[in-house]
Amino acid sequence: SAVISQKPSRDICQRGTSLTIQCQVDSQVTMMFWYRQQPGQSLTLIATANQGSEATYESGFVIDKFPISRPNLTFSTLTVSNMSPEDSSIYLCSVHPGPGDEQFFGPGTRLTVL
Amino acid sequence: AQSVTQPDIHITVSEGASLELRCNYSYGATPYLFWYVQSPGQGLQLLLKYFSGDTLVQGIKGFEAEFKRSQSSFNLRKPSVHWSDAAEYFCAVGATSGYNKLIFGAGTRLAVHP
Repeated sequence: SAVISQKPSRDICQRGTSLTIQCQVDSQVTMMFWYRQQPGQSLTLIATANQGSEATYESGFVIDKFPISRPNLTFSTLTVSNMSPEDSSIYLCSVHPGPGDEQFFGPGTRLTVL
Repeated sequence: AQSVTQPDIHITVSEGASLELRCNYSYGATPYLFWYVQSPGQGLQLLLKYFSGDTLVQGIKGFEAEFKRSQSSFNLRKPSVHWSDAAEYFCAVGATSGYNKLIFGAGTRLAVHP
């Protein structure tokens, strides 16, 4: 299994600013994922972060808006840039320890943009 | 295209009644299948998963799910619902090889009446 922590747990931000969300795992993992859950909606994958390479973004998400860092096998950050109220969501980090394993999710970061 | 359908957006049951949440998937091959639960203000918790073998899988909190290949379904069941089961339930599919993202259904919100 994997235990994941995220910081901050929640934040209220002003339009036009940026927020960086941190994701820390208690073990080394190859693949980390960032999901967005808009109010009342399901989870949508933003990007896949593999240590040592550029993140792979899903359709509709771009690096300029959601830059991701993956400096080592236990840590990743997601930045939400130039925020607007439409970015108000829960952002979740998850890890996939290995093929055939389940994904483990962090507690999420609840972001409100005013 | 890969997709997951949860046809019931909201379900309300009485405490003690049985429960079945439906999940249908579209996938190129037999995928890995998951049910996650999200309680209000909480992260995602894995209820159960199907990778291979016995098509009836047991999970935590008294839940079970049955994989039916012919119907492309993975319905979640519980014989007697408790008030604490009120939450959002998500069905998800993932590839059976490598490190792959999960595709989530829209979710089913369960309300439990006393």
